[in-house]
Amino acid sequence: GQQLNQSPQSMFIQEGEDVSMNCTSSSIFNTWLWYKQEPGEGPVLLIALYKAGELTSNGRLTAQFGITRKDSFLNISASIPSDVGIYFCAGQSGNTPLVFGKGTRLSVIA
Amino acid sequence: EAQVTQNPRYLITVTGKKLTVTCSQNMNHEYMSWYRQDPGLGLRQIYYSMNVEVTDKGDVPEGYKVSRKEKRNFPLILESPSPNQTSLYFCASSAGGSQPQHFGDGTRLSIL
Repeated sequence: GQQLNQSPQSMFIQEGEDVSMNCTSSSIFNTWLWYKQEPGEGPVLLIALYKAGELTSNGRLTAQFGITRKDSFLNISASIPSDVGIYFCAGQSGNTPLVFGKGTRLSVIA
Repeated sequence: EAQVTQNPRYLITVTGKKLTVTCSQNMNHEYMSWYRQDPGLGLRQIYYSMNVEVTDKGDVPEGYKVSRKEKRNFPLILESPSPNQTSLYFCASSAGGSQPQHFGDGTRLSIL
């Protein structure tokens, strides 16, 4: 099936730093989603993007739907310890099944 | 509270012993789905259902069955579990196939 390339695989950052991660695909998507997963829990939706070029914020999180519709970026500003977790991108085209990236594991050092 | 509920949360069992993981959602969602999560492989879809009595294979359906007899429930059945099905499983639901999915808290299965 389709695959998304998500990078980086893991990040270790100092509290207060900004974080950036991205996903790329060889296929065009109509929807890009970003999820966060904390230990012992299921993924929780952070941001949903539905339009090429769209830039959406949710608190300290900002995500963009790439113009080519083949990529998306997630930025976290001024990271805090509770940002720790695994962040997943997911893409979808029409009613086809959601395709997930392999995740970015974020560690924040206080 | 809107939620997706999976049971059990943890299960250790032996090869060949049939098991069922239940999934229930209270949001009247039409779309439901099962994923497995393995280290280094991310989330892979097993089966999905667009509506009652409609189910389709995902990326890794081998060794699994599902049923969708009513809108709120979408059980995952392992008729003859094998060790390679040891994994973390997630059920998810959404209002439609193109809508963002809400996930349960996961079921960790260990097949010995």
